[in-house]
This record gives sequence, structure tokens and C-alpha cells, in this order.
Amino acid sequence: DAMVIQNPRYQVTQFGKPVTLSCSQTLNHNVMYWYQQKSSQAPKLLFHYYDKDFNNEADTPDNFQSRRPNTSFCFLDIRSPGLGDAAMYLCATSRDRLAGGGSTDTQYFGPGTRLTVL
Amino acid sequence: QKEVEQNSGPLSVPEGAIASLNCTYSDRVSQSFFWYRQYSGKSPELIMSIYSNGDKEDGRFTAQLNKASQYVSLLIRDSQPSDSATYLCAVNIYYGGSQGNLIFGKGTKLSVKP
Repeated sequence: DAMVIQNPRYQVTQFGKPVTLSCSQTLNHNVMYWYQQKSSQAPKLLFHYYDKDFNNEADTPDNFQSRRPNTSFCFLDIRSPGLGDAAMYLCATSRDRLAGGGSTDTQYFGPGTRLTVL
Repeated sequence: QKEVEQNSGPLSVPEGAIASLNCTYSDRVSQSFFWYRQYSGKSPELIMSIYSNGDKEDGRFTAQLNKASQYVSLLIRDSQPSDSATYLCAVNIYYGGSQGNLIFGKGTKLSVKP
């Protein structure tokens, strides 16, 4: 089955120790997104890739970086995690960003990575 | 500020009843509307998408869209305890005609009592 996969599902890191979260997709979608979701809050978009074109949200801290080496994979790097970065990190994909002629902008989410910062 | 508003609940309904979840949005040019279900500790799961005014039915779920009133709702018929979750309304906001960003509401927590 086509799907969005995230690894690891649970990540524990120490304050200030860099961490990388991974997302892969078999949907062959053009767009990949990274969201941060804290308890009882809405998912917050950090950035997204449209093919190789990187789009950063204005309020995403510099501490968060992303890489997309190919269509299937996208990584979230947190350079110096703080206690406030503990959250669920969600990867999502969509065929396109606009609903041109159909539901091409529908986003499908992976299972998420729960990050704990000690 | 583009916003999506939902009643946070909790909304409690008895098993077998109809659950009605509501959402309003601020941007008149929005074209795409989604309902996601999120169980505690899990990721959002797509339930319905709707693009045109009116009703769209899929099994026990019906999405209703009224663009003039900037209102979208989700009805769940014959509610089951397994429907107990947080339901997120999401609206795709378009910027300059070339890019869309999904804006989520904070979600309505639904509890279906056996």
C-alpha cells in the first residue's frame, strides 16, 4: 500500500543534542510538509518542499532545518533541541499545493515522531 | 490573519446518535476544506474533503459546505464509541494563486458514550 512512513516513531534526545527525523513516501507526491504539534494544539506548519523548492514559514525558528535529497525522502533536523521543542512531529505529503481539477491538494499524514527532550 | 475556528468541546453524544461538528473560516477565497480525525497520541487521518457548496456523503459521514456563510460542518450518523477522537477542520488558504497552506482549527473533542 502507498503510504507515508516516519522514523523513528519515538525519539528521546538531550537538551542541545542535534536530532534528525526521517520521512519517506511511496505516493510519488510532489509536496512534502513538516508540522509540529504540541499537546491539545493544532498542527503548526514548519516548512514544505514543492519538488526541490524549499518554502520556510516566517515564524519557523532557525533551529529547524530540512533536507529533501530525492522525491521519496525528507528530513527534519533540529540543531539544538530545547525543552520547548518536545512535541509530535508530523510529515505529510500532497500531489500538489492547489486543488486544480481535483483533490490534488489533499494532505496525507505519516504516523508522526514523538520527540522528548531531557 | 487567516483563521479556522472550532468549538473545542468536549462534545458528548450517546451511541447511535448524530454528532454534529462545526467550523468557520475567515478567508473568502478558500477553495478546499478537510476534516481529519485524530486519536490521542496518533497522527491526523483524513475523513472527508469537500470543494463545492452543498453536502458530500461517505458512509456514516456527511460534510456540508456553505461558502457564502464561510461554514463547513461534519455530521456523523449512528455514532460509535470508536468515533471518540478529536476532529480537526482544515482549510487550504491560497497565497497569490500559486501556493496553498493548510490552516487547522484547534479541533473538537468528541466523546461517544456507550
